[in-house]
Amino acid sequence: GAVVSQHPSRVICKSGTSVKIECRSLDFQATTMFWYRQFPKQSLMLMATSNEGSKATYEQGVEKDKFLINHASLTLSTLTVTSAHPEDSSFYICSARDHRVGGTEAFFGQGTRLTVV
Amino acid sequence: QKEVEQDPGPLSVPEGAIVSLNCTYSNSAFQYFMWYRQYSRKGPELLMYTYSSGNKEDGRFTAQVDKSSKYISLFIRDSQPSDSATYLCAMSVNQGGKLIFGQGTELSVKP
Repeated sequence: GAVVSQHPSRVICKSGTSVKIECRSLDFQATTMFWYRQFPKQSLMLMATSNEGSKATYEQGVEKDKFLINHASLTLSTLTVTSAHPEDSSFYICSARDHRVGGTEAFFGQGTRLTVV
Repeated sequence: QKEVEQDPGPLSVPEGAIVSLNCTYSNSAFQYFMWYRQYSRKGPELLMYTYSSGNKEDGRFTAQVDKSSKYISLFIRDSQPSDSATYLCAMSVNQGGKLIFGQGTELSVKP
């Protein structure tokens, strides 16, 4: 299957600082990437849909000024958590769809565990 | 009521058992159905993808969709300890549309 690489896999940061998470599609072009947040033993909650070359679409309740998304190329999307607080600590996962395949299956990155201290 | 309901488990079975995992949903517009496997602290991995109603088999895995009952299932035959993971169902209305996930069922296969 298609490969999506997410970096870093784990990060610890101090309150008030910003953290950038990268999501790359390695062997296909992804015009659309998705960012999810997952709490322990909970499902994936979609935060935003990232479209190459345009503004991201955020889900209700997600602060777009806090979670900045940039989809600058067909293989890279970034999520920046700004002014991080301990309650932002979570598992963040990106996914991308390979539109050559034509299906709705999404390929996920390995996830980033963010801990804000 | 959540759009997609999935029993979180945990579900524990002996090695070799047949495992049945299920999800129900409320939105009759869902047409695309997926099952993902997620190991601890990893991203989900696509296992099965089906469109509309019917069955799909891939090795030890069989996915079933019953749109009339708004019910989907994943069967795992001859379960192995390496199958121990959380299984998430997901579905969408449109091809390429937003995925709605179930809570995930934690499965443990004991040797």
